[in-house]
Order: sequence, then C-alpha cells, then structure tokens
Amino acid sequence: QVHLVESGGGVVQPGRSLRLSCAASGFTFSSFAIHWVRQAPGKGLEWVAVTSVDGAETYYADSVRGRVTISRDNFGSTLHLDMHMLRSEDTAMYFCARDPSGSLYDELDVWGQGTMVVVSS
Amino acid sequence: SYVLTQPPSVSLAHGQTAMITCKGDHLGSKNVHWYQQRPGQAPVLVVYDDSDRPSGIPERFSGSNSGKAATLTISSVEAGDEADYYCQVWDHSSDHWVFGGGTKLSVL
Repeated sequence: QVHLVESGGGVVQPGRSLRLSCAASGFTFSSFAIHWVRQAPGKGLEWVAVTSVDGAETYYADSVRGRVTISRDNFGSTLHLDMHMLRSEDTAMYFCARDPSGSLYDELDVWGQGTMVVVSS
Repeated sequence: SYVLTQPPSVSLAHGQTAMITCKGDHLGSKNVHWYQQRPGQAPVLVVYDDSDRPSGIPERFSGSNSGKAATLTISSVEAGDEADYYCQVWDHSSDHWVFGGGTKLSVL
C-alpha cells in the first residue's frame, strides 16, 4: 500500500532550524515529484515547495524562499525539508504529498498525515 | 501572484446538490484539482484535471471548468460530505502551486 509518513516536527524557538522528513513506501519513490504543503492552525492549505524526480528542479513559495530547502534521497525513499530562521508564522501542520506523474504540474494523489511544527519562545 | 477565490462556506440540506465555486483569471485554461479535508485529517483528492475522478471517489462528485470559474458539484449530499474543500492549480507564470482559500461545506 502507498504511504507517506512525515516526521521531525516539534516546538522550536524563533530563529532556530528544523529538518522535516517524509518516508515513502509502497511505490517507486524516484519516479514521482513530491511536494510539501502546510496548514496553519484553523487556516487553509498553503503550498510550500516541490522537487522533481531527481531533485534537479525545485520551486518554493515566496513566503519560505531563502529560508527553506527541499531535498530527496531516492535510495532511501525519503524527502526532506530543511527550515532555517523559523518565524511564528511558520507554525503549521506540514504535509508531504505525491504528484502521480513524473512532472511537477499535476494533482496530488497521496498525502501523508502531517507533522506539526510550533515556533514559539 | 495568482489568486483563487472560493466562498468561505456553503450550507444545504441532506440530499441536495452542492456547488462549490473557484474563481481566478483565465482559470478555464488551467487544470483545476479539488481536495476534501475532513477535520483532523489529511486532504483527499476528489477531482483532478477539472472533471476526472480518482478511483474510489463516488460518482456524486463531479467537476467543471470554464472561463473564470471552476465548480465542484456534489449531488445528494450526505453527512459524511461535511468537510473543507479546496481547489488548486499550477500557475506557470510563477512556477507556483496555488490553493483556494477553502470552502466549508455544512450539511443541515
């Protein structure tokens, strides 16, 4: 069965860094683009970043560009999101989600359950 | 940046047909995807590429897209359809994915 499982969330002080991970199983991870999407408490969905199948192409939302890096380990079927200079507005549930094609531009057909990040002093 | 606009809420009685709109400039030229998110759960894809349904999604869910608006239609709504619904597109001019603000569907 196809699964995405996020980890790495927690409580972190403003200005600090955090690495989120997304472990994939049940499909050939290296054949799919993968996104990070976040949702602040009580708010809507916000796209964060995407990486192509080989990691050569990455795109970021304006709200995180320069502070966040998306990367992937195709051998370990794992996606990462390195977050720096965290702000209170980064407090959110972070989901990883799969694009079912090899492109970056399609729908998101599989989602993880999310990992919560709280930025607070 | 590209903006998608959805009504904050839609309320209707059990058995009626819900129509949730998503508006954006030249939306008809883009592929629109729709997600259902029940409280405390991850989003679930219910319609992709304007009007296609993933396997396992009931035929009661359908979509259309033309001009400046896309519509998610849910016929014969049930209590289990109560959720937040989000539209999404890829904006090629910015290489950004964009979500609408979400619509809360309430079944009375």
